[in-house]
Amino acid sequence: DGGITQSPKYLFRKEGQNVTLSCEQNLNHDAMYWYRQDPGQGLRLIYYSQIVNDFQKGDIAEGYSVSREKKESFPLTVTSAQKNPTAFYLCASSIPRLAGASTLLYNEQFFGPGTRLTVL
Amino acid sequence: GQQVMQIPQYQHVQEGEDFTTYCNSSTTLSNIQWYKQRPGGHPVFLIQLVKSGEVKKQKRLTFQFGEAKKNSSLHITATQTTDVGTYFCAGIAGKSTFGDGTTLTVKP
Repeated sequence: DGGITQSPKYLFRKEGQNVTLSCEQNLNHDAMYWYRQDPGQGLRLIYYSQIVNDFQKGDIAEGYSVSREKKESFPLTVTSAQKNPTAFYLCASSIPRLAGASTLLYNEQFFGPGTRLTVL
Repeated sequence: GQQVMQIPQYQHVQEGEDFTTYCNSSTTLSNIQWYKQRPGGHPVFLIQLVKSGEVKKQKRLTFQFGEAKKNSSLHITATQTTDVGTYFCAGIAGKSTFGDGTTLTVKP
């Protein structure tokens, strides 16, 4: 079965601890993304990666870090510097495609089931 | 930075009524995507619009992309209880920016 997996589904941590959320995909997608969703709000982009060993900050990268050592994996670390870490975290992947010489478009994003992180 | 506004935030309809959600971007978009998220679930891709003025239909759902590629709409005809959920637009301009979504509830 192809898809994106995130584990665990629910995660509890004490304030001040770093925590790493896993995201694995076997869709052979080059691009991967991390989003944060708070109740009643949309998805805010934390980090994204278009290719292995490369990633860019999204809109709310402060207090988070990522790595992209393998195409299949894009783990997100929520550090103690993140002031309000309790949220629903969603990982996604897609196949980026070029339209013309320099315009990068994005195909549909496939989302994992998400991890609900609660910091006590 | 790029902002994507979506209205309304909530919409309650009687089953059989129509529903529309609107998406407006502060910048010109390369393309726009629409997703549906069921309660407790994750977003699922519905459609992508690329061309200026594009209109696409999926059964009872009609998607439009504005001529200036800065706004879009999703219209559902004759809503059903299976349509409940939150509908998000995602504006693509170098990176994706999601709107806050419109949550649809349908009363049987």
